[in-house]
Amino acid sequence: RKEVEQDPGPFNVPEGATVAFNCTYSNSASQSFFWYRQDCRKEPKLLMSVYSSGNEDGRFTAQLNRASQYISLLIRDSKLSDSATYLCVVKTGRRALTFGSGTRLQVQP
Amino acid sequence: NAGVTQTPKFRILKIGQSMTLQCTQDMNHNYMYWYRQDPGMGLKLIYYSVGAGITDKGEVPNGYNVSRSTTEDFPLRLELAAPSQTSVYFCASSLSSSYNSPLHFGNGTRLTVT
Repeated sequence: RKEVEQDPGPFNVPEGATVAFNCTYSNSASQSFFWYRQDCRKEPKLLMSVYSSGNEDGRFTAQLNRASQYISLLIRDSKLSDSATYLCVVKTGRRALTFGSGTRLQVQP
Repeated sequence: NAGVTQTPKFRILKIGQSMTLQCTQDMNHNYMYWYRQDPGMGLKLIYYSVGAGITDKGEVPNGYNVSRSTTEDFPLRLELAAPSQTSVYFCASSLSSSYNSPLHFGNGTRLTVT
């Protein structure tokens, strides 16, 4: 089983739609969680950290469910500029970050 | 502020050739990493370093070597290039390993081995 699993998509949604991605992780000892965004042929960039109580940053909401070992990202009022691949990232102990394969989002006009 | 700088941006190698991918950061970060990303896949950790003079293997170290003689530089060496090493290579750095210390990535090096 992969350490971090994501649905590869693509998710094709119209502008203004709400879309949600889930990600599951296999190691119950994982303690830090992040969403990174990667545009086509570019480097990943941190979108937001994911906190146990859930957190929001503008149109983006991240949730963590430790019991079920999954994290989610909700994007409201999708913009064309949100089109990208969203990488679920997990940190376990002192190890470096482990990246999921990413979920591709395409927002259409 | 340059951040993390990688060179070259693109390279084509023949099987068996060697090369060094350069990475330098000007943020005085202790931690540096090399990842590779194959098409449609996540990033896999090749090597990392927690400070000058200290390096350690990641998930996929075979066929690669690194050194960390200074805080700023973390070159990745490919000896005897193979087609399986065709990938996009990202160097990254972070201030620490704590959860609130995000990775800063370079722009990547696209390597093709034929």
